[in-house]
Amino acid sequence: DIQMTQSPSSLSASVGDRVTITCRASQSISIYLNWYQQKPGKAPKLLIYGASSLQTGVPSRFSGSGSGTDFTLTISSLQPEDFATYYCQQRYSTPPTFGQGTKVEIK
Amino acid sequence: QVQLVESGGGVVQPGRSLRLSCAASGFTLSSYAMHWVRQAPGKGLEWMAVISYDGSDKYYADSVKGRFTISRDNSKNTLYLQMNSLRAEDTAVYYCARDRFRSPSNPSGWFDPWGQGTLVTVSS
Repeated sequence: DIQMTQSPSSLSASVGDRVTITCRASQSISIYLNWYQQKPGKAPKLLIYGASSLQTGVPSRFSGSGSGTDFTLTISSLQPEDFATYYCQQRYSTPPTFGQGTKVEIK
Repeated sequence: QVQLVESGGGVVQPGRSLRLSCAASGFTLSSYAMHWVRQAPGKGLEWMAVISYDGSDKYYADSVKGRFTISRDNSKNTLYLQMNSLRAEDTAVYYCARDRFRSPSNPSGWFDPWGQGTLVTVSS
């Protein structure tokens, strides 16, 4: 199975901050990497697919980049509604695996 | 409105069985592969199983292989997860999610939408 490792596991940031979350795969996964946002008590929501494509309806302050083994999710200006846990997921091979999550908290 | 609604969760004793359902609305279930994903309390997301659009292909996580069975009834627009020989470590919120494609092997796919989840608690 492909292992996905996110860093950091948690971070504290202020509204307006630029936030970057990284995700590393244990082997090359090309661009087959998705990002999800999950708020407490809610289901995950797709943000980014194919490493850098923004899902319809997702604010443009979210962006993704990377290929191969190293990927990044960036929030250009953190908003109050962005405080949540973020997960990366690889679809290169079955089983699809998730990172352990990055919790973004209010500073 | 595209929607998935899970049901069937509850408290069950170790070793017993439970069947979860996921009702789809607002789209044609038979056009998509479907997944089950679970989340233990306070933990991350763990993929469980996938079934192709027509039920011909199924894959499972090693942790549930031989105990859980994924199935679908496209005529009823419903996905199922039969869970047997339940263990305490199966305690989690179980989500169903739609794949982008018919085949679960397409690497370009993603999970969207997700249901709201149903809680399964395995305890004596």
